[in-house]
Amino acid sequence: QSVLTQPPSVSGAPGQRATISCTGSSSNIGAGYDVHWYQQLPGAAPRLLIYGDTIRPSGVPDRFSGSKSGASASLAITGLQAEDEAVYYCQSYDFSLPAVVFGGGSKLTVL
Amino acid sequence: QVQLVESGGGVVQPGGSLRLSCAVSGFTFSRYGIHWVRQAPGKGLEWVAFINYDGNNEDYADSVKGRFTVSRDNSKNTLYLQMNSLRIEDTGVYYCAKDRSYGDNVLEYWGQGTVVTVSS
Repeated sequence: QSVLTQPPSVSGAPGQRATISCTGSSSNIGAGYDVHWYQQLPGAAPRLLIYGDTIRPSGVPDRFSGSKSGASASLAITGLQAEDEAVYYCQSYDFSLPAVVFGGGSKLTVL
Repeated sequence: QVQLVESGGGVVQPGGSLRLSCAVSGFTFSRYGIHWVRQAPGKGLEWVAFINYDGNNEDYADSVKGRFTVSRDNSKNTLYLQMNSLRIEDTGVYYCAKDRSYGDNVLEYWGQGTVVTVSS
């Protein structure tokens, strides 16, 4: 049971848009802690995709964007490509534990 | 370029010990905190531990507190994770990851991971 809740799977057709939600609580995202997103391709280590809720590191395509509202955050991927098939994780900090916390991961399938 | 290379994984019996290493290059190691994150087979990411830039502050997940110890040698650009009293549920891939900036808990760069298998 992850502290941050993500849908186990999402899908979309090539060229379409997919959105992945990340729901927390008043002790993590709702407390104002930043949300970060990671992409894990099959057989690979995770890669930082978005940090500070909305910031893309250099080299990350602008098809990826993040947002946050209240105790929830979202990752949006536009113009879906086959290479986007991966598992996506959100991450934040929870002061009640205290610990870095991850969502359970969402597997994106490009149909 | 930034590189983190984990080593030391292997097969160990329940109750046994293992020490993982994470050798880094491409950045000033002594200025950054480093995290350990693990991933059980077919499962998601689980944060394990953190050590700050000078080794004076450590944090642990409840699941490993009292059994695992993180340390670093800034003269060798190397991070360690001493794992004692290992349990079957400690099995997985262990990654080290560099903090992007002081205290921001952004895992900017990751190693390729080392596999730990706890089995009798």
